[in-house]
Amino acid sequence: AQTVTQSQPEMSVQEAETVTLSCTYDTSENNYYLFWYKQPPSRQMILVIRQEAYKQQNATENRFSVNFQKAAKSFSLKISDSQLGDTAMYFCAFIPSGSARQLTFGSGTQLTVLP
Amino acid sequence: NAGVTQTPKFRILKIGQSMTLQCTQDMNHNYMYWYRQDPGMGLKLIYYSVGAGITDKGEVPNGYNVSRSTTEDFPLRLELAAPSQTSVYFCASSYSGTGANVLTFGAGSRLTVL
Repeated sequence: AQTVTQSQPEMSVQEAETVTLSCTYDTSENNYYLFWYKQPPSRQMILVIRQEAYKQQNATENRFSVNFQKAAKSFSLKISDSQLGDTAMYFCAFIPSGSARQLTFGSGTQLTVLP
Repeated sequence: NAGVTQTPKFRILKIGQSMTLQCTQDMNHNYMYWYRQDPGMGLKLIYYSVGAGITDKGEVPNGYNVSRSTTEDFPLRLELAAPSQTSVYFCASSYSGTGANVLTFGAGSRLTVL
């Protein structure tokens, strides 16, 4: 079974600054995908970024980037130039490769961007 | 393009009542999922379906039933509602069940059992 751990229940950052959210996972799988989802107060789950485990290059999406350390089973999210609209709950998630696999979520980190 | 549509958005039930949460997707996705999210927690998988007529249990299936008679619809039925089922429920879909295909989520349904 896979587990995903987010050890920071809450974080805050000043607008325009950079913040890093932590995520660790445990698995015996060799091929898998990792995700960061954002859940704003509207409750809608929005994909922020995705990383394929076999790719060594860290994924980036505009102001969002990850630091993927496969050996350490670590997958942190860096948000640069934080904006008020980034205020949300952020979930790290894991899914093994292959069909009919299940997505496992961490418990989330509530990020608040301060003006 | 509606994506994944869930109804109702909010519902209050009394203990012992039953209800069905509806989920419809218009993306011709094969895979559909039901998750629940308890306060301050991540999402836990209740049931999923890999195609019409095929369903399987997830991590927390007790107290729920599902059916998948069409590709588009995946209703979740709560029988004999209990306070422990107070949660926010999310339906999601994807073209395949691999991580290569990202899940599209509905907006969620908040259920309170009193």
